[in-house]
Amino acid sequence: DAKTTQPPSMDCAEGRAANLPCNHSTISGNEYVYWYRQIHSQGPQYIIHGLKNNETNEMASLIITEDRKSSTLILPHATLRDTAVYYCIVRVAGGTGANSKLTFGKGITLSVRP
Amino acid sequence: GAVVSQHPSWVICKSGTSVKIECRSLDFQATTMFWYRQFPKQSLMLMATSNEGSKATYEQGVEKDKFLINHASLTLSTLTVTSAHPEDSSFYICSAGRGPPPYEQYFGPGTRLTVT
Repeated sequence: DAKTTQPPSMDCAEGRAANLPCNHSTISGNEYVYWYRQIHSQGPQYIIHGLKNNETNEMASLIITEDRKSSTLILPHATLRDTAVYYCIVRVAGGTGANSKLTFGKGITLSVRP
Repeated sequence: GAVVSQHPSWVICKSGTSVKIECRSLDFQATTMFWYRQFPKQSLMLMATSNEGSKATYEQGVEKDKFLINHASLTLSTLTVTSAHPEDSSFYICSAGRGPPPYEQYFGPGTRLTVT
C-alpha cells in the first residue's frame, strides 16, 4: 500500500505556478520523498527527491515541512506539456526491503489549461 | 539525463505464444532493474526486481514461471511473457537504477502488449 495520500486531481492556468500537495504522515526518518510524473501512455519521469531540506532543480522545487509529514511539489511556470499524473512516493535509500521500492499510488492528475 | 529504452514499443501476439521485451540503460550502468505492469486507468504495479547476474525477486502474486526475467549485463534486462493469454495484455514498463543509494530510478517508455 502506498504511504502517501494525494488529491485525485487539480488544475492550473498555463504560466502559473502549480503546487501539488502530498501527505506522508507515517514517513520514517530514513525515508526520502520522491516525485515522478507520467504523461499519458509513457513511462514515468523522475522529477525530484529530498529527505528533509527543500530541493530545487531545473524542473521543479520540493518543499518538505519541518515535521516531514507533508510536502509540496512546485512547478514554477506550468505549461500544457506538464499535464500528467504526478506521483508522490516515499522510500528508503538502498536495501531490498519493501520500503526501498518505488510503490506507485493513484497520484494526482494535473491538468494545465490554456 | 539518463536514458532507458525498451523494445519493442508495442507488440501483438497470439494466445499461447511467448513474447520477449528488452530494457536497456543507454548511458549508464544499472545494477538493479525493475519491471512494472500497468493496466488501463490504473497505477503501475511492481512485478519484479532484478540484479545483474542474479535471480530476479518477484512480488507476491506474480508467477515467476510465466514472467521470465533475465539481467545478463549491467545495461540489459529482458522480460519474457510465456504462453501469453489475453489477460496478459497490458503496458509493461522497465526501470533502471543509477548510482549508489539513494539511486535515481529511470523508466523506459513502456511496451504495449496485446494478446489476441
